[in-house]
Amino acid sequence: DAGVIQSPRHEVTEMGQEVTLRCKPISGHDYLFWYRQTMMRGLELLIYFNNNVPIDDSGMPEDRFSAKMPNASFSTLKIQPSEPRDSAVYFCASTAARDGFTGELFFGEGSRLTVL
Amino acid sequence: KQEVTQIPAALSVPEGENLVLNCSFTDSAIYNLQWFRQDPGKGLTSLLLIQSSQREQTSGRLNASLDKSSGRSTLYIAASQPGDSATYLCAVRTNYNQGGKLIFGQGTELSVKP
Repeated sequence: DAGVIQSPRHEVTEMGQEVTLRCKPISGHDYLFWYRQTMMRGLELLIYFNNNVPIDDSGMPEDRFSAKMPNASFSTLKIQPSEPRDSAVYFCASTAARDGFTGELFFGEGSRLTVL
Repeated sequence: KQEVTQIPAALSVPEGENLVLNCSFTDSAIYNLQWFRQDPGKGLTSLLLIQSSQREQTSGRLNASLDKSSGRSTLYIAASQPGDSATYLCAVRTNYNQGGKLIFGQGTELSVKP
């Protein structure tokens, strides 16, 4: 299995620009999570989906952030407009629905975002 | 609100030593606890998953224990090697009423000197 695949691996953009991060979960996994990692705040859960439906988006910092999961094999996290404080590593993770909340979580390699 | 704390924040040991990393959490209503390893610039690699009904899990030189009632977990690494150098993170999966979220500690940065 290819694991959780994220793109791009690195993104450098200017303040005000739109940023779209992409994630392909492991096939058969029906839970998908978006996390953000910074030195100051560590790993923070932004949003998670179950069967393509957003379940909890309470971690999304502002309206500038949005996430979608149009099908079981693809999700996007969009920031519009981006700001320097959004600079972080964004991780996507997935787990199998059959395991519910008890399943092991698998992470992608992350997308490192730098907003100038 | 669930909070996860890892002590120490950083640890440096000579090769061959056995060591223990600590993780504590404030709310015992969890589904499971997972230990991860993160190498610099990389994603998180799952090491061990302990369900709430379990006391410990072992994988090779790694042993993780869970004491849910006291809100503690330890990761024991036997005969440490330079290749074990990384940041180790523990995360608890909150129960359904708290959204089934995985809440992370800040990590312990481990350095094993040859």
